[in-house]
Order: sequence, then C-alpha cells, then structure tokens
Amino acid sequence: AQTVTQSQPEMSVQEAETVTLSCTYDTSESDYYLFWYKQPPSRQMILVIRQEAYKQQNATENRFSVNFQKAAKSFSLKISDSQLGDAAMYFCAYSRNKLVFGAGTILRVKS
Amino acid sequence: DTEVTQTPKHLVMGMTNKKSLKCEQHMGHRAMYWYKQKAKKPPELMFVYSYEKLSINESVPSRFSPECPNSSLLNLHLHALQPEDSALYLCASSQESGLNQPQHFGDGTRLSIL
Repeated sequence: AQTVTQSQPEMSVQEAETVTLSCTYDTSESDYYLFWYKQPPSRQMILVIRQEAYKQQNATENRFSVNFQKAAKSFSLKISDSQLGDAAMYFCAYSRNKLVFGAGTILRVKS
Repeated sequence: DTEVTQTPKHLVMGMTNKKSLKCEQHMGHRAMYWYKQKAKKPPELMFVYSYEKLSINESVPSRFSPECPNSSLLNLHLHALQPEDSALYLCASSQESGLNQPQHFGDGTRLSIL
C-alpha cells in the first residue's frame, strides 16, 4: 500500500521569508501524481500545486514550487515570500487510483 | 468561492435520527467523492462515484449510505450513527476518476452526534 509521510507536525515562518515543507512517499509504481493541498481554518481543501511523476521538471505556481526527487521519493513544497494568508494545514497527497494524504503540517506565519 | 457546494454546513443529530448530507457541483465533473476528516487529521476516503456508479467503497459501515441521483449531485444518507462518527464530512469532485485529476473540495459539513 502507498504511504505518505510528512515529518513536520508544525512549522513557523516569518512573513516575507521562505519555508520548505517536507514530504516523502512510498510506492512501487512508476506512474502517479503528487499534490499539495492547503486547508485553512475555513475548512476548504484548496489545491496548491501538482506534479506528474514522469516529468522531471519541478512544478511552480507563483510563490509555490516543489522539489521533486523521484528516486528518493521526496516531494517538498517551498513557499517564497510567505504571507499571513498562507497560514493553514498543508497536506501532501499521492494519487494513483485514489488520493492518499500525509498527516499534514500546520504552517504558522508570524507578522 | 467554492465550486462544490455542501449542505448543511453544520448538523447535530441523535443516534436514532436519519439525516442526509448533500453535495452539488456544476463543473461537469464525472467523479465525486465523500471523505471523513477528524480534527487535525487528513481526510479519509469513504466512497467514490464515477459516472454516477459507485466505484469504490472503503469498507464504510452500512449506517452510511451514499447516493448519486445525477452527475451533479451526491448525497450521503445517515442512520443510527455513533458518537465516533462526529467529524467533518468533505465532498469532492474531479473531471474523471483518473490518477491525474485534481479534486475540488467543498467546505464540508461538520457533523456532531449526540
């Protein structure tokens, strides 16, 4: 079975600084997708970024980028120029035939 | 604004009550999902519907009964729930149920069982 591990239960970052959230996963498949979702206190899960496993180029979406290391099965999320609105629970997720989520990382942004 | 609408936002019910959670999307998505999420935990998949047919049931107790009346609507019928069923119930949809399809989530229904 696929598993997703987020080893940082909580992280803090100063506003305007950069923070990296870690994620590792375990799979024997070669074709899959990886996602980062954000869940603020308002509850809605919001897609932040996705990565296709067969693409070597790391995905970027404005201030959000990933470092995808397929051989190491690592998929970290970098948030640049952190903003107060980035404060949320962040979930890393693996997808083959269904989404498998990691335990989540609470990100706090200090002003 | 969320494109997946869930009602009600909050629901309190007794263990003998029967109630339903509703989910609606108008994005033309053909796959819809129910998740259960406990506080500070990741969502856990319950059911997947693809083209209005149940394709995945993650061994969910029969007191939860899903229904997909049409491609835009997904219901979750609740009966004889237990206190441990108190949680946030999230609905999601995607274009198809394939591995590369990002899922769009609703705001959830927070369910409390007395």
